[in-house]
Amino acid sequence: KQEVTQIPAALSVPEGENLVLNCSFTDSAIYNLQWFRQDPGKGLTSLLLIQSSQREQTSGRLNASLDKSSGRSTLYIAASQPGDSATYLCAVRPVIGNNDMRFGAGTRLTVKP
Amino acid sequence: DGGITQSPKYLFRKEGQNVTLSCEQNLNHDAMYWYRQDPGQGLRLIYYSQIVNDFQKGDIAEGYSVSREKKESFPLTVTSAQKNPTAFYLCASSIVSGGDQPQHFGDGTRLSIL
Repeated sequence: KQEVTQIPAALSVPEGENLVLNCSFTDSAIYNLQWFRQDPGKGLTSLLLIQSSQREQTSGRLNASLDKSSGRSTLYIAASQPGDSATYLCAVRPVIGNNDMRFGAGTRLTVKP
Repeated sequence: DGGITQSPKYLFRKEGQNVTLSCEQNLNHDAMYWYRQDPGQGLRLIYYSQIVNDFQKGDIAEGYSVSREKKESFPLTVTSAQKNPTAFYLCASSIVSGGDQPQHFGDGTRLSIL
């Protein structure tokens, strides 16, 4: 069964710092990997989706990479801002199963002014 | 404005009571999903529906029921058989089920026990 792990569970950085969030998964047979942002008490907002055949995706200050063979993805945030403070979740869609997504528990990011 | 609307935002359940969470989408998506989120855990799938009048159990379907009578609506009932219902419930939809389609989420309903 696919397991998704995100480390660290929480991260606090000063404004302006570049940072990397990590996501690992146990089974490399995936259709895609998606990174989400969740603000307190809110739903999930999709940030980036990487297909299994792709290595990375970029949107503004965000860059997500995928190394399917090693079961890892990273989300790079450049020049962090206080408005980036949120919980970031990654999820994979396994090839085998119910076509549902498997989520990590998230990394809670705080960017201090 | 296209999107997913969940209501109510907060819901309280008494012992032995069934409660229904609403999820409506105007994105013309075929697939809809219900997830449960507990503190410190990833989202877990309760039920999903690929098309009208069809739905499938997810990992934690016990104590829950759903219906899909209309394409735009996928209500979730938390029955009295669900002994630990306190959680944040998220509804999502995608163009079709599976493959490379991203999921879009509503703002969630927080359910608590009185």
